[in-house]
Amino acid sequence: SAVISQKPSRDICQRGTSLTIQCQVDSQVTMMFWYRQQPGQSLTLIATANQGSEATYESGFVIDKFPISRPNLTFSTLTVSNMSPEDSSIYLCSVQTGGMGEQYFGPGTRLTVT
Amino acid sequence: AQSVTQLDSQVPVFEEAPVELRCNYSSSVSVYLFWYVQYPNQGLQLLLKYLSGSTLVKGINGFEAEFNKSQTSFHLRKPSVHISDTAEYFCAVSVSASRGTSYGKLTFGQGTILTVHP
Repeated sequence: SAVISQKPSRDICQRGTSLTIQCQVDSQVTMMFWYRQQPGQSLTLIATANQGSEATYESGFVIDKFPISRPNLTFSTLTVSNMSPEDSSIYLCSVQTGGMGEQYFGPGTRLTVT
Repeated sequence: AQSVTQLDSQVPVFEEAPVELRCNYSSSVSVYLFWYVQYPNQGLQLLLKYLSGSTLVKGINGFEAEFNKSQTSFHLRKPSVHISDTAEYFCAVSVSASRGTSYGKLTFGQGTILTVHP
């Protein structure tokens, strides 16, 4: 398993601004993921962030809106740009340890856009 | 593409009663299967996983799940629930790649809210 922390844990932001969420892991991992959980809904994968390469975005998510950095094997950031109320969600990062697809999740960042 | 359907959005149950949370999946290729639990205002915690081998897998907190390939199901069960089991439960699948690895992406079901009443 892995211990994952996220900052901030929650934030209230005004529309049109941007927020950068940090994800820190206690061990080196190759694969990191960013998910969105909209109110009352399940998790949707935003992108896969592997160190040393560009993030891979899922359908419906674009780099201009959700730029991701992965500078090393223990850290990643997700930026939510030009926010609107529809971006109000919980954003979670996760890591895959081992090769079988099991992922471990951070506590999430609860974002409210007013 | 794969998909996951959790057949019950909410399951109310009394304490010490048994519970089953149902999950069906669809995939044209082999998958790995997972159950996660999300307690209020927390992240997701891995309950159990099916990768290969025995179709009955045991997880934490007394939960178990059975993989049924013919019915493409992976139902979660607990013989006697506690108030502390009140949470939202998510079933998820990951596509298995060659040599026993995974492509990584998890596809989640819509979640089942389990509420345990005293």
